[in-house]
Amino acid sequence: QKEVEQDPGPLSVPEGAIVSLNCTYSNSAFQYFMWYRQYSRKGPELLMYTYSSGNKEDGRFTAQVDKSSKYISLFIRDSQPSDSATYLCAMSPDTGRRALTFGSGTRLQVQP
Amino acid sequence: DAGVTQSPTHLIKTRGQQVTLRCSPKSGHDTVSWYQQALGQGPQFIFQYYEEEERQRGNFPDRFSGHQFPNYSSELNVNALLLGDSALYLCASSLSGPRGEQETQYFGPGTRLLVL
Repeated sequence: QKEVEQDPGPLSVPEGAIVSLNCTYSNSAFQYFMWYRQYSRKGPELLMYTYSSGNKEDGRFTAQVDKSSKYISLFIRDSQPSDSATYLCAMSPDTGRRALTFGSGTRLQVQP
Repeated sequence: DAGVTQSPTHLIKTRGQQVTLRCSPKSGHDTVSWYQQALGQGPQFIFQYYEEEERQRGNFPDRFSGHQFPNYSSELNVNALLLGDSALYLCASSLSGPRGEQETQYFGPGTRLLVL
């Protein structure tokens, strides 16, 4: 079993919809949680970065972490065709000197 | 402010050959990590360099080696290439703070390696 599980999709939604992307993990040592967006044939771009449990909002994006359930989510409000990309969750035991462990990514398509 | 840059963008090699990939970190960053991303998968950690030393290593064979230079740039070397080494190789940079804490990692565009 992988340390981080992520539904590969593809997830297809109409423009303006609310999108929910999720990851589950098994390593209770993970403390830092990130969401990256990756367009086709490009490097991952950092979207959100949260520490421990709780919510964080940035514009149309909201990240949630529930450490008791080992479950993290990314919500995208008012989704746009430009949001069409692969979304990768990543996590680390701490910010210092540690590798990131990634999910396999969820492919999102927002239909105009 | 220049982000993370990598060269070359694409590379084609044959089995058994050796390859060197290069990375320049984001301005002000001192730590470089390398990841391998196979098609349809998430990136997998290869190793991390800080102060010109390998600080952490993932589950990759010794055929994968690296180096960090005094200006914080880095190289990834892969010897005896296998077909399975075909992937997108990503470099990520970050800043290690005075207590050893590290901001999160910012990725370059990657080098796409094809082994025939």
